[in-house]
Amino acid sequence: AQKVTQAQTEISVVEKEDVTLDCVYETRDTTYYLFWYKQPPSGELVFLIRRNSFDEQNEISGRYSWNFQKSTSSFNFTITASQVVDSAVYFCALRSYNTDKLIFGTGTRLQVFP
Amino acid sequence: DTAVSQTPKYLVTQMGNDKSIKCEQNLGHDTMYWYKQDSKKFLKIMFSYNNKELIINETVPNRFSPKSPDKAHLNLHINSLELGDSAVYFCASSPAGPGSGANVLTFGAGSRLTVL
Repeated sequence: AQKVTQAQTEISVVEKEDVTLDCVYETRDTTYYLFWYKQPPSGELVFLIRRNSFDEQNEISGRYSWNFQKSTSSFNFTITASQVVDSAVYFCALRSYNTDKLIFGTGTRLQVFP
Repeated sequence: DTAVSQTPKYLVTQMGNDKSIKCEQNLGHDTMYWYKQDSKKFLKIMFSYNNKELIINETVPNRFSPKSPDKAHLNLHINSLELGDSAVYFCASSPAGPGSGANVLTFGAGSRLTVL
């Protein structure tokens, strides 16, 4: 069975702090894809990143970085120098190679205070 | 120009009523979905359609009936609404084809249904 676990329900930080959102997944598939989505207070779901199971290179995009480690089945997301606009619910998700089903974790609510 | 649009954005209704939520995508995608987000923010897939054909039906009560008149539209009709149906319903679309697992889902803005 496939599963995504985001153990952190809520995280609060002060602006400019770095914060890491954890994501652990379970799958028996050898080829799969991992995603992060952001849901700001306005409610829409915004795609942030996709990573395939064969590419363990870390990725950096501005203040955002992602650390994919197959050995620990984790795909963690770090925001450097957090800003108030980063306040949102962040979802990690998993999808197998040839399926339509995207499975979400329960989300982590990040609150960044000024 | 909105890629995935849902209407209505808000829907308040009484228990026992029947209601529909409409979804349209202009991305040329072959696959469309309905997801339900409950009050705890948990997102769960309900249905997926590929070019008007039902692909995924996730143990959703029979009161929920999706309809896809063409590949750009996927509507959700709910009969005999119950309190527990209150949620935000998200429509999404993605390209299809081999290795479709890589494709990114584009979501609509959501439709908040409140059943009184």
